[in-house]
Amino acid sequence: EAQVTQNPRYLITVTGKKLTVTCSQNMNHEYMSWYRQDPGLGLRQIYYSMNVEVTDKGDVPEGYKVSRKEKRNFPLILESPSPNQTSLYFCASSLNPGVEEYNEQFFGPGTRLTVL
Amino acid sequence: AQSVTQLDSHVSVSEGTPVLLRCNYSSSYSPSLFWYVQHPNKGLQLLLKYTSAATLVKGINGFEAEFKKSETSFHLTKPSAHMSDAAEYFCVVSDREAGGTSYGKLTFGQGTILTVHP
Repeated sequence: EAQVTQNPRYLITVTGKKLTVTCSQNMNHEYMSWYRQDPGLGLRQIYYSMNVEVTDKGDVPEGYKVSRKEKRNFPLILESPSPNQTSLYFCASSLNPGVEEYNEQFFGPGTRLTVL
Repeated sequence: AQSVTQLDSHVSVSEGTPVLLRCNYSSSYSPSLFWYVQHPNKGLQLLLKYTSAATLVKGINGFEAEFKKSETSFHLTKPSAHMSDAAEYFCVVSDREAGGTSYGKLTFGQGTILTVHP
């Protein structure tokens, strides 16, 4: 089944304790992205990647890191989490954002993160 | 720069009556437009997307949206609401122009919560 998977789905942690949220897609998509969802704000892009070893900042990158060493994986790293990073996180992927037929983004199930 | 405004944060309808969720967008390049739905405690599901092939777009579950360039709008409609339509709906714009600073990025509206009464 074609899908985007995220792990963990739920995570409670404490301030300053490094964590990684994994994201994997099995659709051979070139484009991957991370978003955070906060009430009343919709979803905002954190980082994106157009292909392996190519990443760039989105609208709210502060406090986050990403890497794209393989096409299928795009982990989100919080080196020193803070309470304002408590949010619902979504990973998404797309075959090719520049082509109409292939530009829809498929979303993972979400990771609910709480930082105490 | 691209942006999306969903004109209503909450819409309440009775079952069997029409649904209208309003969306206005701005985009510097040729946009792609989408509607996504999020049911409570669930992920995001694509309802429909606009391509340049047709201005009236049909999606899943009886939803439609019409792209009106002159009005920069992409309103979502459904002739008859069902209880299962209760969810949050997001209008989304994405630039397709390669090399643009927003290439591939999805910009979400703030969301419209649809409530359906029996």
